[in-house]
Amino acid sequence: DGGITQSPKYLFRKEGQNVTLSCEQNLNHDAMYWYRQDPGQGLRLIYYSQIVNDFQKGDIAEGYSVSREKKESFPLTVTSAQKNPTAFYLCASSLGQRARDTQYFGPGTRLTVL
Amino acid sequence: GIQVEQSPPDLILQEGANSTLRCNFSDSVNNLQWFHQNPWGQLINLFYIPSGTKQNGRLSATTVATERYSLLYISSSQTTDSGVYFCAVHYGQNFVFGPGTRLSVLP
Repeated sequence: DGGITQSPKYLFRKEGQNVTLSCEQNLNHDAMYWYRQDPGQGLRLIYYSQIVNDFQKGDIAEGYSVSREKKESFPLTVTSAQKNPTAFYLCASSLGQRARDTQYFGPGTRLTVL
Repeated sequence: GIQVEQSPPDLILQEGANSTLRCNFSDSVNNLQWFHQNPWGQLINLFYIPSGTKQNGRLSATTVATERYSLLYISSSQTTDSGVYFCAVHYGQNFVFGPGTRLSVLP
């Protein structure tokens, strides 16, 4: 059945290490997004991609990188340059980037820096 | 940029009670959506509602775009309604999320 998967569910990292969070969708959606959620706060946009091989920075892109080599996949790398990476990370996809296109979310990855 | 505010920040209800959640935004928007995040973190889209009123079971939503606010009504609340409710407005190219209303429904 169709949906968005994220892995791993929980991730622990030592300071100074890069980590990559996986996001895969089989909804045949063109647009994909990465959001960060901190405790008690809303979602903030990190990166988004409208089509394969293209992506743009969101509001808080510093310390993160992405790639979009396949339509189904949009991995996020949290680099050592990210000052405070401990957070809940959500991936989403939508048919397009039009205002009427609903976003569908994955289950999230909870990243903790030790 | 646009400001999105939600009220109240926290709400505790007894099962069976009704509630109204509010979302205010500071500029004209192309679209507005309501989401529910369950206690395990999963977000589910509830309504796509740029204007007017929609109903889905015990939930309904109203957006008055000219006055820049939207309301989410929950009737006969159940414990499974607990979680965080977010409104998100489409502004420019992307959605901007409000800070959410945390709802706890007690049995």
